[in-house]
Amino acid sequence: EVQLVESGGGLVQPGGSLRLSCAASGFTFSRYEMTWVRQAPGKGLEWVSDISGRGTTIYYADSLRGRFTISRDNAKNSLYLQMNSLSAEDTAVYYCARVVGTYWHFDLWGHGTLVTVSS
Amino acid sequence: DIQMTQSPSSLSASVGDRVTITCRASQSISGYLNWYQQRPGKAPKLLIYAASSLQSGVSSRFSGSGSGTDFTLTISSLQPEDYGTYYCQQGYSSPHYTFGQGTKLEIK
Repeated sequence: EVQLVESGGGLVQPGGSLRLSCAASGFTFSRYEMTWVRQAPGKGLEWVSDISGRGTTIYYADSLRGRFTISRDNAKNSLYLQMNSLSAEDTAVYYCARVVGTYWHFDLWGHGTLVTVSS
Repeated sequence: DIQMTQSPSSLSASVGDRVTITCRASQSISGYLNWYQQRPGKAPKLLIYAASSLQSGVSSRFSGSGSGTDFTLTISSLQPEDYGTYYCQQGYSSPHYTFGQGTKLEIK
């Protein structure tokens, strides 16, 4: 089955760190650009970060101020998001998604993992 | 960054109604516009890509149109399962993608 499954979310204190994972299956993971999108409670969708299929090209939303690091392990069919210096504003459901080139749409999404930053 | 503005922010319609949601970009994005449906507690689902191409497996009552800065998502005959929030997303400035703020659709 073609799917993405996120894990690693949870409750973390302000200033803390968390590493999210996204396990891909059912397709050739290395052929696809992948992205992270987040959604704060009751809010809309916000693009977070993007990584090319080989992992050589990486982009981040300006709002992250260098606190997040995206990576991938194609041998393990996995995508990661290392999040540091977390604040309450980072509380959100984090989704990984597969990017389809040409028109840059997200055709496959994971179910999401909730990150709550609170003391 | 390219700003995406949707209207209306919310709407309520009856089963069988024709529903239209609009999305406006702050600059021309050609046809790099995609639409998603999100039901409460669920991940977004791709409906339309490249402004007017129907994603595989999506009902043909969904259609998209537009180019440049103005785009439209139309549901030809609203069904009970069409509730949720709809988002547009631009891919023109890939990979700095941006979404509209969402349109919440309620079934009367």
